[in-house]
Amino acid sequence: DGGITQSPKYLFRKEGQNVTLSCEQNLNHDAMYWYRQDPGQGLRLIYYSQIVNDFQKGDIAEGYSVSREKKESFPLTVTSAQKNPTAFYLCASSMVIGLATDTQYFGPGTRLTVL
Amino acid sequence: KQEVTQIPAALSVPEGENLVLNCSFTDSAIYNLQWFRQDPGKGLTSLLLIQSSQREQTSGRLNASLDKSSGRSTLYIAASQPGDSATYLCAVLGGATNKLIFGTGTLLAVQP
Repeated sequence: DGGITQSPKYLFRKEGQNVTLSCEQNLNHDAMYWYRQDPGQGLRLIYYSQIVNDFQKGDIAEGYSVSREKKESFPLTVTSAQKNPTAFYLCASSMVIGLATDTQYFGPGTRLTVL
Repeated sequence: KQEVTQIPAALSVPEGENLVLNCSFTDSAIYNLQWFRQDPGKGLTSLLLIQSSQREQTSGRLNASLDKSSGRSTLYIAASQPGDSATYLCAVLGGATNKLIFGTGTLLAVQP
């Protein structure tokens, strides 16, 4: 099956810990994205990557870091510098960035809770 | 800065009713407008994509329209079913930023 997988589904973090959320796609897409979703708010872009070994900050990148060493993988690390990390995190991919005919495909999400 | 607004925030209808969800955006310089569905605790599923040069798209019981000049889109759902219950999100792909900007969604409940 083609698609995007995220793991884990639920993640609990203690204060001061870094945690890494996994995102893998087998759609052969060049572009990948990380979004954060909070209750009552729309999705907000954290980071995105157009190609391997390249990534750009989104609107709320502070306290987060990413890497793109392989085309199919785009892990997100939530660092201790992120003061309010409890949220639902969604990973997405698309063929390229900015193509009018192209949509984004989303993973099932990871719910992160700070204890 | 592009802003996307969805009204109403929540909607409850009886099964079988036709309904309209609304989306408005402030900057008409867009590449496309997309409608997504999100079930509770799940990821988003793409429903319809309307390019900026198009006026509408249809898929089954769903029809989405786009009026770029007025900054509005509607999602029409015909003969609603309980399985349509979900949050519907509208998003625009900005021409200046190449980013997808999302509205806050409309939570739809279709009562059997």
